[in-house]
Amino acid sequence: GENVEQHPSTLSVQEGDSAVIKCTYSDSASNYFPWYKQELGKRPQLIIDIRSNVGEKKDQRIAVTLNKTAKHFSLHITETQPEDSAVYFCAARITGGGNKLTFGTGTQLKVEL
Amino acid sequence: NAGVTQTPKFRILKIGQSMTLQCTQDMNHNYMYWYRQDPGMGLKLIYYSVGAGITDKGEVPNGYNVSRSTTEDFPLRLELAAPSQTSVYFCASSYSPLVLGKRYTEAFFGQGTRLTVV
Repeated sequence: GENVEQHPSTLSVQEGDSAVIKCTYSDSASNYFPWYKQELGKRPQLIIDIRSNVGEKKDQRIAVTLNKTAKHFSLHITETQPEDSAVYFCAARITGGGNKLTFGTGTQLKVEL
Repeated sequence: NAGVTQTPKFRILKIGQSMTLQCTQDMNHNYMYWYRQDPGMGLKLIYYSVGAGITDKGEVPNGYNVSRSTTEDFPLRLELAAPSQTSVYFCASSYSPLVLGKRYTEAFFGQGTRLTVV
């Protein structure tokens, strides 16, 4: 089955700096890569996603890049703010089979003032 | 629109007890999922369902059972609770891509159930 690895497990940045979280996946059949943000004690919520036929997608301060050849994708957050502090999960989905997602182990992002 | 609702939010079980985690969604999603979240381990899929009457195992199904008698409800049953089942459980739902005429559909999560087995 699919395996998703995520790095780093913790990330601390100064407010205003950029943050980058990286994920790799194992199954070349994966074609959809969402990113979820989970604030403390809350449910995961989708913040951005990318399809396998797209190399980059941007939404205001967040962007995701995908390298299909290398089987890795990354989340970029620019001009970080304290409210960006949360756990971020990457995930991958293989076509068919109930739309199931395989998640990475999460990155705890802390934005310091 | 309530979205995905889970009950209870917290529960403490003794070893060997049984319980059912409830999940209901009002978005008419045909796909539903149960995940468990352990510290530093991400979310692991326990069971999923692609429609009423259809369920299938995920990565970590042992010790759990599910049923899907209606589109709205997808309860998760724990039989003979063990300390290894201490975790936060999330229910999620999504449309089938075919329903929306899209290749990809977003999964919406419930607020979670924190279960402790002692």
